[in-house]
Amino acid sequence: AQSVTQLGSHVSVSEGALVLLRCNYSSSVPPYLFWYVQYPNQGLQLLLKYTTGATLVKGINGFEAEFKKSETSFHLTKPSAHMSDAAEYFCAVSAATSYDKVIFGPGTSLSVIP
Amino acid sequence: ETGVTQSPTHLIKTRGQQVTLRCSSQSGHNTVSWYQQALGQGPQFIFQYYREEENGRGNFPPRFSGLQFPNYSSELNVNALELDDSALYLCASSPGVAGGRGTGELFFGEGSRLTVL
Repeated sequence: AQSVTQLGSHVSVSEGALVLLRCNYSSSVPPYLFWYVQYPNQGLQLLLKYTTGATLVKGINGFEAEFKKSETSFHLTKPSAHMSDAAEYFCAVSAATSYDKVIFGPGTSLSVIP
Repeated sequence: ETGVTQSPTHLIKTRGQQVTLRCSSQSGHNTVSWYQQALGQGPQFIFQYYREEENGRGNFPPRFSGLQFPNYSSELNVNALELDDSALYLCASSPGVAGGRGTGELFFGEGSRLTVL
């Protein structure tokens, strides 16, 4: 079975500061890992994904994440926060099954302070 | 390229009623997944359809059912509505599984917000 935990339901950063959103996963098989973003009253949009290969993954809008198998982590970072980054962020995992069952974490709400 | 569209966007029902939500998948996608997102929570997997067959189900009771049509559009039906069914229902399509593991990359619609009174 797969599961995801996200440390911190709310994170506030100043504009221009580093963004760090934490994600830990549990999976009995090699995982695929994802970060999705949700803006108010919208569906989810993929930020980035890790499948195989390079453990540092770059996504859209300047975000990146690093897969650390030994720590079962997939933390999301961005060097400099922008006001437009304020949104809900979900870490997600899928496993080696025959279908795309993607399990989402509870989410972290990011606020950016001007 | 047309994205995932869902209808209706908002609806209000009373306890015990039935509801049908609709989803048109993105062009070229043959797999549709449905998720329930309660306020302040992450999306919970309901089930997935791949080429008109249910291809996986989460921890939801049988009163949650679905269909996928030959054009890969899909419906989610919920019978005997309960107050706790109030949520945003998200449909996501994906390119599908070709005899093995999918990529897990989902393309979401904007959701149908259901309120049960």
